[in-house]
Amino acid sequence: NAGVTQTPKFQVLKTGQSMTLQCAQDMNHEYMSWYRQDPGMGLRLIHYSVGAGITDQGEVPNGYNVSRSTTEDFPLRLLSAAPSQTSVYFCASSYGDRGEQETQYFGPGTRLLVL
Amino acid sequence: AQKITQTQPGMFVQEKEAVTLDCTYDTSDPSYGLFWYKQPSSGEMIFLIYQGSYDQQNATEGRYSLNFQKARKSANLVISASQLGDSAMYFCAMREGQNDYKLSFGAGTTVTVRA
Repeated sequence: NAGVTQTPKFQVLKTGQSMTLQCAQDMNHEYMSWYRQDPGMGLRLIHYSVGAGITDQGEVPNGYNVSRSTTEDFPLRLLSAAPSQTSVYFCASSYGDRGEQETQYFGPGTRLLVL
Repeated sequence: AQKITQTQPGMFVQEKEAVTLDCTYDTSDPSYGLFWYKQPSSGEMIFLIYQGSYDQQNATEGRYSLNFQKARKSANLVISASQLGDSAMYFCAMREGQNDYKLSFGAGTTVTVRA
């Protein structure tokens, strides 16, 4: 298993540009989510999905869009990049049916710099 | 209000000694899970240990143990016999509810192990 993969590893954008951060998992996990990590603030949830075709907003969804057309993929779209979106982005996944024992596994992260 | 509080921004520990990382949480849900993740300088998020709200015993995983004090709402991570490879950022996280897998993270604690 490759686990959770993310591409690209690093990206530089100009303000106003759009891009898609890719996330894929090969563990047949139903639950997938996107977090952003900023210094001194830990990780904050952007969007999440409990299965194909179902998505919902997290704590900081503004400026981001997601879709879940397959179980494996959960791309994150930046509609019009802003310097405030400079961050490290993590995708995570889990089975979605383990109740209290549910443990999320994280991808390697994408470093995004918006100029 | 912060759901997870980690009050120690950084800590130094001598190799082979034990270190305790503090984590307090805030929730009114009777069912919740507490997690610790390690983030080395390479950036990936590594799952370390889990404690469920109904667990009667403290969780242990190798050199990691969780000091769970439910009445105090604390879930401190203890790393015994510290190794140089333990130098990293450590995050405490909480999931609330039986079937809600969203995680709330603390700001993290940086641990530096000295030889």
